[in-house]
Amino acid sequence: GAVVSQHPSRVICKSGTSVKIECRSLDFQATTMFWYRQFPKQSLMLMATSNEGSKATYEQGVEKDKFLINHASLTLSTLTVTSAHPEDSSFYICSASPGSYGYTFGSGTRLTVV
Amino acid sequence: GENVEQHPSTLSVQEGDSAVIKCTYSDSASNYFPWYKQELGKRPQLIIDIRSNVGEKKDQRIAVTLNKTAKHFSLHITETQPEDSAVYFCAAGGINNNDMRFGAGTRLTVKP
Repeated sequence: GAVVSQHPSRVICKSGTSVKIECRSLDFQATTMFWYRQFPKQSLMLMATSNEGSKATYEQGVEKDKFLINHASLTLSTLTVTSAHPEDSSFYICSASPGSYGYTFGSGTRLTVV
Repeated sequence: GENVEQHPSTLSVQEGDSAVIKCTYSDSASNYFPWYKQELGKRPQLIIDIRSNVGEKKDQRIAVTLNKTAKHFSLHITETQPEDSAVYFCAAGGINNNDMRFGAGTRLTVKP
């Protein structure tokens, strides 16, 4: 089945630093990938749609300068949280669709900003 | 855009009983309705999905029904087991995740 790999699984960073999260589709090409954020005991909130070779589409209220997305190839999208602050601490998760079978999630990244 | 509402937010049942989770959606153009199970700290796992040209789908103890006219769909779990305890999310959108939106989730607890 379709597999989406996400790294790192956990990261702790200091306030003001940047963190990069990678999302890879392992056995299929994904022209589009999706980035979600999930706070404790809450649902998944779509942050942005990552488009291969073009700019990402951000949801309302998501700062594109803070959450930089790069989709440089058909199998890799990255999310960089710039100048991270404690309120950015959350579970970040990506997903991609292999076609007509819906979509598959990565394993998620738990970000803690101290 | 799509708006998905999910009820109940928490559900507790005895082992062996059935559990039903209901969702409504707003966009009549949505044609794909997956259900995900998420255990604590892990990724959501697709457990069943239904497309708009089907009214009901069953996979062993899990079934999903869809009423496109009323814009609601439900997850039914029969003969519940403790390992069914998790958070369940419904979602609605396009088949390739275009404008896919999630419900708020239902925390299911199955008591042994």
